Amino acid sequence: RKEVEQDPGPFNVPEGATVAFNCTYSNSASQSFFWYRQDCRKEPKLLMSVYSSGNEDGRFTAQLNRASQYISLLIRDSKLSDSATYLCVVNENYGQNFVFGPGTRLSVLP
Amino acid sequence: NAGVTQTPKFQVLKTGQSMTLQCAQDMNHNSMYWYRQDPGMGLRLIYYSASEGTTDKGEVPNGYNVSRLNKREFSLRLESAAPSQTSVYFCASSVGTSGSNEQFFGPGTRLTVL
Repeated sequence: RKEVEQDPGPFNVPEGATVAFNCTYSNSASQSFFWYRQDCRKEPKLLMSVYSSGNEDGRFTAQLNRASQYISLLIRDSKLSDSATYLCVVNENYGQNFVFGPGTRLSVLP
Repeated sequence: NAGVTQTPKFQVLKTGQSMTLQCAQDMNHNSMYWYRQDPGMGLRLIYYSASEGTTDKGEVPNGYNVSRLNKREFSLRLESAAPSQTSVYFCASSVGTSGSNEQFFGPGTRLTVL
């Protein structure tokens, strides 16, 4: 079983839609969680960290469920510019071992 | 600030050739990383350097060597390239050794081994 799993998509949604991505991780000792965004043929960039209490940044909301070992990302009012691949990243034991999921591809259609 | 820079952007090698991928950061970060990204897979850690003077293996270190030349620079060397090393290579840096720190990535090097 892969350490971090994501639905690869693609998710094709119309502008203005709400879309949610889930990510599951296998190591219960994982301590830090992130969502990164990667545009086509570009480098990943941090979208947001995921905190235990959940956190929101504008149209983006991230949730963590430690008991079920999954992380979610909710995007409201999708924009064309949201089209990208979203990478779930998990860090174990506050060390250097960052484990990346394979990514979920989102296409927002006009 | 340029952030994290990588050279070259593209490279084609023949099996058995060697090359060094260069990475530099100007953010005074302590930690630096090398990843490879293959289709359908997440980024996989090759090597990392928690601080100047130290390097450690990641998930997929075989076939690679690294050098933390100074605080700014972290190079990745392929001694004898193989087709399985065809990939996109990303260098990254972060402020410190805490796993809660954001990683900043370079633009990547697209390597093809024939």
